[in-house]
Amino acid sequence: QVQLQESGPGLVKPSGTLSLTCTVSGGSISDYSWWSWVRQTPGKGLEWIGEIYHGGRTNYNPSLGSRVTISIDQSRTQFSLKLTSVTAADTAVYYCARVRGSYLLDSWGPGRPVTVSS
Amino acid sequence: DIQMTQSPSTLSASVGDRVTITCRASESINNWLAWYQQKPGKAPRLLIYKASSLESGVPSRFSGSGSGTEFTLTVSSLQPDDFAAYYCQQYYGYPWTFGQGTNVEIK
Repeated sequence: QVQLQESGPGLVKPSGTLSLTCTVSGGSISDYSWWSWVRQTPGKGLEWIGEIYHGGRTNYNPSLGSRVTISIDQSRTQFSLKLTSVTAADTAVYYCARVRGSYLLDSWGPGRPVTVSS
Repeated sequence: DIQMTQSPSTLSASVGDRVTITCRASESINNWLAWYQQKPGKAPRLLIYKASSLESGVPSRFSGSGSGTEFTLTVSSLQPDDFAAYYCQQYYGYPWTFGQGTNVEIK
C-alpha cells in the first residue's frame, strides 16, 4: 500500500520560494506513471498545481505561469514542488498525490500547511 | 479552463436520508468526472470515477451518474461517517478543475 508524506517549511516569506517534497513509501515512483500536487485554500478551494511523469515530463496549471516546477529526486522515492515569487495568495494546504490511470488522484498525502508571511 | 459548479453549497440532512449533490461543467466532459469526500483536517478521498464507477472499498450506498455537463452524487442512506465535504473534479482537459464543494452537515 503506497503512502505519501509531504515535508518542507511551513512558513515562507513573500517573494521567496516555496519548496516541498513528497516522500513515497511502500512503492517506487516508477511503479506509477504520474504524480501530482494539489493545493487547497478556504477562498479558492481545491486547485490542481501540476503533475510529473516518472520519466520527467510535466504538466502545469497555466494559472501559476512559470512560477512552478515539479521534479523527481534521483532516489526515485521523492518528488518535489517549487513555487517562486510567492505572495499571501499562495498560503494553502499543499497535497501530493498519486495519479492512477493517468488521471485519478487515488492516494494522497496528509497535506502540508504553508503560510506566506513576513 | 473548464468551470465546475456544485449545488448546493451546504446540505443539512439526517442519518438515513437520501441525499443528492449536483455538479455542472461549463462544457461537455463526457464522463471524465470524479467525486471526492473530505473530512476536516484530512486529505480528499476518491469515491467515484468515470462519473459512475465506485472506487474499491467505498460503500455501495454511494453512487454517481451523469454525462456531458450534468452529474450527480447520491448517498442512498446517509450514515454518521458520511457527514463531510464532497467535491467533483473533471479530468477531461487540462488544467484539471474542482467544484467549490458541498458540505453535508447534520440537521
